[in-house]
Amino acid sequence: DQQVKQNSPSLSVQEGRISILNCDYTNSMFDYFLWYKKYPAEGPTFLISISSIKDKNEDGRFTVFLNKSAKHLSLHIVPSQPGDSAVYFCAASSLYNQGGKLIFGQGTELSVKP
Amino acid sequence: GAGVSQSPSNKVTEKGKDVELRCDPISGHTALYWYRQSLGQGLEFLIYFQGNSAPDKSGLPSDRFSAERTGGSVSTLTIQRTQQEDSAVYLCASSSDQLRAETQYFGPGTRLLVL
Repeated sequence: DQQVKQNSPSLSVQEGRISILNCDYTNSMFDYFLWYKKYPAEGPTFLISISSIKDKNEDGRFTVFLNKSAKHLSLHIVPSQPGDSAVYFCAASSLYNQGGKLIFGQGTELSVKP
Repeated sequence: GAGVSQSPSNKVTEKGKDVELRCDPISGHTALYWYRQSLGQGLEFLIYFQGNSAPDKSGLPSDRFSAERTGGSVSTLTIQRTQQEDSAVYLCASSSDQLRAETQYFGPGTRLLVL
């Protein structure tokens, strides 16, 4: 069963506009959520995270929103830049139960066009 | 400093052969994770090592898969009698803090193709 789902395999936005990437999860035991960014032929790199006790975390152009009742989180990138073009993975963890192992979504490929 | 390295970067093998994939974690990192990404799928957890504790093998898909970590550093993932569905990118990550998931640093992966 897919505990973390990213239903949009791809997203295309214009430079300067907002990119919104979505993620849904099913396991209510998850208490920590992360977004990773991946370029081709490289490993994923950490982007931003949020604890389940918060509903928003902001870091520069990146903001993650968490809606626990809907088991939904989203990543907002504004303004989007061509260098943001990559595959974005949503991940979830139950830090105190599972030793930090991550459960990933399928990824969304973001393309930011100049 | 050096990041997580993996070798080989690419591996092509025939169905039924055994393969070994290597991961060199960041020096001093006590936690080491293996994930794989099959075509069109997300990253799938395979196995996790933390210090001298027994590894968490809950993600290994079959008994053809095994992993070891020697001396608390280098790890080898072994796939016996490879099948075509084993074709994937195998990613290794290491961390100095098992409780903070964002401190997992990933290697570039090994792309395995089973013909």
